[in-house]
Amino acid sequence: AQSVTQLDSHVSVSEGTPVLLRCNYSSSYSPSLFWYVQHPNKGLQLLLKYTSAATLVKGINGFEAEFKKSETSFHLTKPSAHMSDAAEYFCVVTLIKAAGNKLTFGGGTRVLVKP
Amino acid sequence: EAGVAQSPRYKIIEKRQSVAFWCNPISGHATLYWYQQILGQGPKLLIQFQNNGVVDDSQLPKDRFSAERLKGVDSTLKIQPAKLEDSAVYLCASSEGQGISYTEAFFGQGTRLTVV
Repeated sequence: AQSVTQLDSHVSVSEGTPVLLRCNYSSSYSPSLFWYVQHPNKGLQLLLKYTSAATLVKGINGFEAEFKKSETSFHLTKPSAHMSDAAEYFCVVTLIKAAGNKLTFGGGTRVLVKP
Repeated sequence: EAGVAQSPRYKIIEKRQSVAFWCNPISGHATLYWYQQILGQGPKLLIQFQNNGVVDDSQLPKDRFSAERLKGVDSTLKIQPAKLEDSAVYLCASSEGQGISYTEAFFGQGTRLTVV
């Protein structure tokens, strides 16, 4: 079984300040981990994915995430928030299966960016 | 590369009516997913296809929801009869992921269903 917990349902930051979105996972196997972003009335867009090549993963728009196996975490960060970062963010754990990978979503974190 | 196409974008129906959603995945993607996203929640998997076979429909309310994937390509999701609690965004996604790690799912823009 696998599960994902996003520890904050809402995060509010000021433009230009750092953003931290927390994600903890549970998986019986070595996980594949992703972060997706969803802007209002838009589809889900991949921000970054953990490929096991490096524990620090860089994604689009200045986001990065660090995989910490000992803490079962995959937190998303950005050094300086921009107004366009206001959106909902989802952490996803994937179970690799020959019959088709199974994706499990966290509950989401809504980010508000204040000018 | 064309993305995942869904239609319609929006649909308003009365309770007890029926509705159907259509999805065209990215060409060559073997895996197709339908998710239900209720306002304020993360997407919940309804059904997952591998080619034209169902691999997971454990959370599909089978008394009212049905889905098929024609020839392993396009898919339709139907609700009959609809209930108020079915109001949600229905997301379709596709993936190459056939036992392949680190391959992401690509999502369509979704269909927003309102049941009144």
